[in-house]
Amino acid sequence: SQTIHQWPATLVQPVGSPLSLECTVEGTSNPNLYWYRQAAGRGLQLLFYSVGIGQISSEVPQNLSASRPQDRQFILSSKKLLLSDSGFYLCAWTPRDKPTDTQYFGPGTRLTVL
Amino acid sequence: SQQGEEDPQALSIQEGENATMNCSYKTSINNLQWYRQNSGRGLVHLILIRSNEREKHSGRLRVTLDTSKKSSSLLITASRAADTASYFCAAGQGAQKLVFGQGTRLTINP
Repeated sequence: SQTIHQWPATLVQPVGSPLSLECTVEGTSNPNLYWYRQAAGRGLQLLFYSVGIGQISSEVPQNLSASRPQDRQFILSSKKLLLSDSGFYLCAWTPRDKPTDTQYFGPGTRLTVL
Repeated sequence: SQQGEEDPQALSIQEGENATMNCSYKTSINNLQWYRQNSGRGLVHLILIRSNEREKHSGRLRVTLDTSKKSSSLLITASRAADTASYFCAAGQGAQKLVFGQGTRLTINP
């Protein structure tokens, strides 16, 4: 069966520090991968998605970047965090041939920037 | 911009009652999905209804889709305390992504 992992689960970082969040998927090949951010009490904002290694689509201009160095690994990064980067970050995957069907979410990373 | 807009934003009912949440979207879709999120957790897929379907059932869940009105509703029957969560609709578009709404926060009082 497929599983999706995210780490760390929680993170507290000072403003201006770098960020690296990791997401890995097991039990499937060639998934579509997604990074979302959720502000407190709000819906999900799609940040990036990837349909293959090295292929990244950015949805909103921001202080963040994403990379996909391996088929089942998706990384969210920042060189210098802002207060507004605080939030709950969720990674998700879908089968390559069903990009708009069910998305499977990881447990999330709660980021607090102080 | 977010397409799915849920209504109401918050709903509080007694255990055993039915809960109805609505979702509106703006453009053509392939499907409309509903997800549930327990506090501080990831989202869990509940049900998917395709654009050529009008109603779908799964256990205590009933979803309707009206493409002429660009709206969908989620009905949870015989609610339980464990149904307390946030519920999100998501519009599946032609591209490689879903567009999520802001969610309805459902509280079931024992």
